[in-house]
Amino acid sequence: DTEVTQTPKHLVMGMTNKKSLKCEQHMGHRAMYWYKQKAKKPPELMFVYSYEKLSINESVPSRFSPECPNSSLLNLHLHALQPEDSALYLCASSPQGVYQPQHFGDGTRLSIL
Amino acid sequence: SQKIEQNSEALNIQEGKTATLTCNYTNYSPAYLQWYRQDPGRGPVFLLLIRENEKEKRKERLKVTFDTTLKQSLFHITASQPADSATYLCALRMDSSYKLIFGSGTRLLVRP
Repeated sequence: DTEVTQTPKHLVMGMTNKKSLKCEQHMGHRAMYWYKQKAKKPPELMFVYSYEKLSINESVPSRFSPECPNSSLLNLHLHALQPEDSALYLCASSPQGVYQPQHFGDGTRLSIL
Repeated sequence: SQKIEQNSEALNIQEGKTATLTCNYTNYSPAYLQWYRQDPGRGPVFLLLIRENEKEKRKERLKVTFDTTLKQSLFHITASQPADSATYLCALRMDSSYKLIFGSGTRLLVRP
């Protein structure tokens, strides 16, 4: 079992739906991340939160809206997604500090109809 | 342009042999390099980190080297086992930001 928990594991939604992905960690990490991973491709960074503040947005379309309600939780709100947004969405966390690895959850498999 | 390249084809080896995976990068000056393992349907799992001023790091059957002149890292698994079969990703971090850039990954298959 990973120490970063993501829910749901699978999500199927229509292009007009609104849904949210959730991520939780209790390791006391103060940096949290969202990545998108397409099949047979590496993870691509979307957002980084540091101390609950958004520090990196990799020019992600506004139909993806991140939120960090507290130091343990990270949400990704989805609205009006496109079929090409179908992918594995990974959450990760890391301690503060330069030489720290990232701890990943097992992702949410998202399919857009 | 900036690139991180790993062996694009799967590496197929016999159990007990040493697997060597390559990560080459261009137009980057990374502060450090990390290696992750990813199994199908799972998130990446951190394996090893090596800093720009280190030449080699070891952990059990794993060894990583980092040559900033050649702009290359090699990842070795000695006495490989079928359970080592997975995709291995290298990742670079350039500065004090939290941004990690991943290579495309190499799929390793260890035959019994």
